[in-house]
Order: sequence, then C-alpha cells, then structure tokens
Amino acid sequence: AQSVTQPDIHITVSEGASLELRCNYSYGATPYLFWYVQSPGQGLQLLLKYFSGDTLVQGIKGFEAEFKRSQSSFNLRKPSVHWSDAAEYFCAEGYNFNKFYFGSGTKLNVKP
Amino acid sequence: GAGVSQSPRYKVAKRGQDVALRCDPISGHVSLFWYQQALGQGPEFLTYFQNEAQLDKSGLPSDRFFAERPEGSVSTLKIQRTQQEDSAVYLCASSLPGTSGNTDTQYFGPGTRLTVL
Repeated sequence: AQSVTQPDIHITVSEGASLELRCNYSYGATPYLFWYVQSPGQGLQLLLKYFSGDTLVQGIKGFEAEFKRSQSSFNLRKPSVHWSDAAEYFCAEGYNFNKFYFGSGTKLNVKP
Repeated sequence: GAGVSQSPRYKVAKRGQDVALRCDPISGHVSLFWYQQALGQGPEFLTYFQNEAQLDKSGLPSDRFFAERPEGSVSTLKIQRTQQEDSAVYLCASSLPGTSGNTDTQYFGPGTRLTVL
C-alpha cells in the first residue's frame, strides 16, 4: 500500500538556523510529490511540488526540496528559518488521478 | 481570486445528530476532494469528484458518510448519526484535472472542525 513517512514528529530549531524536514514515499517510479504547510486553524498551503525534471525544486517562502529516487526521499530544506515558519509541515504523494497520501506531519518550533 | 471556502468553520453536534458540511471550490476547478484530519494526523482521503461524478469514495469510513456535488460546483459532505470517532477536521480541496493519469496540485480550504459530544 502507498504510504508517506515523516519520521520526525517535532523539530525545534533556532531562528536563523538551517532546517531539513524528512519525507520518504513508498510508491511509484515517477512519483508526484508535494510539501504543504498548515498553521493553526488554517488549511494547507502548498509550498512546492515535484512532478518531473530537475530534482531540486524551489518553492515559496525560501523553501526548497530535493527528490532522491535512490533513497525514496523528498526532504524539505530552508537555509535560514524565521519565527513565522513555525507551523506543521506535511509531505504528500499524489497517485492515480489525484488521490493524495499524506504523511503524519512534522511540527516545527522556532526558538528566538 | 477567491480560494476554497468551507462552512461552517466549527460544528458541535450531539452524538446521533446528522451534520452537513459545505465546500465551495475555486471557480473553474473540475476536481473536488474531501479529507478527514484527525487530531495529530495527516489528512486522509475520503472521496473525489470530477464535475458531478463521484469517481472514488473508497475512503468513506462507513455508510453514515455521504457526499454529493449535484451541479459540479458546490459539494456537501453529510454525516448521519454522528459518533464521537467522527470528531475531526474535514478538509475540502479542489484542482484542475491533470492530463490522463497525471496528478495536479490540490488547493485546500480552511476546514470544518467537527466535535461530537
């Protein structure tokens, strides 16, 4: 069965430090991969997506993600975290006409 | 432009009551999705419409859950005889369809938080 794994439930980083959130997918030679962010009481906002092509994808708010087929990973990175980045981050894989499978999320805390 | 909207934003129901949750997708978006997000979890797929056709309802947890999109725009998720385990945030998303076999970006509404007492 398809699954998306986010191994880290909580991560705390200091403001200005770099960030990497891990995501592993389980299905597909050509996966469709997404990162969304969810602030409290808000819906999911798309940060970036990977369909094909360049394996390093740039998104909004200074985020990027790298697709590594050999590791079945699609990790999200940001070189310098801002306090406003504190939120929950979800990785998702799209499958079979738009059915999305989400990971269980990683909550990011940012220390001043 | 306007995004996906959902109403109500919060709903409290007594166990056994019926509820109806509404979703207004982005104008022109053909595809519409419902997800259930339990506390501390990622969203889980419930059902999917393309226009008015419900193409996949494999994620609906029981026959108490019913979704419709009669005119291919607004959708309603109905839960009959609510149970405490139905308490969750219900998210709606819409998208333009990708080419055959492909996946396109889904845009999410703010969700409806359902609490069943």
